[in-house]
Amino acid sequence: EDQVTQSPEALRLQEGESSSLNCSYTVSGLRGLFWYRQDPGKGPEFLFTLYSAGEEKEKERLKATLTKKESFLHITAPKPEDSATYLCAVLSGSSNTGKLIFGQGTTLQVKP
Amino acid sequence: GAVVSQHPSRVICKSGTSVKIECRSLDFQATTMFWYRQFPKKSLMLMATSNEGSKATYEQGVEKDKFLINHASLTLSTLTVTSAHPEDSSFYICSASPAGTGYEQYFGPGTRLTVT
Repeated sequence: EDQVTQSPEALRLQEGESSSLNCSYTVSGLRGLFWYRQDPGKGPEFLFTLYSAGEEKEKERLKATLTKKESFLHITAPKPEDSATYLCAVLSGSSNTGKLIFGQGTTLQVKP
Repeated sequence: GAVVSQHPSRVICKSGTSVKIECRSLDFQATTMFWYRQFPKKSLMLMATSNEGSKATYEQGVEKDKFLINHASLTLSTLTVTSAHPEDSSFYICSASPAGTGYEQYFGPGTRLTVT
């Protein structure tokens, strides 16, 4: 069964304290791994798509990496405005509808 | 680019009435749109997948007669909650996948439904 697990569930950082969020997955043929950011009361905002092991993408203080079993979202020198819930999702090779399997999310709080 | 809107952002309705939520892709055509429900502090729960011009595919446990989905054009999908009950109160979010892309989904801002 396709499954996505994110850790930790919650993370508190001081401003400037770099860290990483983990997304572990088991899927029958990965067609894509997606990272989203969600603020309270809003829809998820697309961040990155990764397609194959070894791929990396960056956007401002965020960098996403992918291996055959997991993805990391590295946050460098975070600021309070980076506080949000970060969602990871995968698209399985067995899906013919584009259905994404979501993890439970990591809620990040960055304190000034 | 890749902007998705939802209307209304908030709606309050009485038990037994129906409410319609619209989802529009503003700057791209979406062959596939998705409807999710999200409970407080929980992840997204897919309700159904809709393709333009065809019937929606509902996830197991989702009542298709209660949650009517119409995908009339490449930029518009609607979700109608029929005979709403308080337990239908939730945050409903749609997403759209642009034609010809790598299955990326772009999400709307969500609709907060409260049934009294």
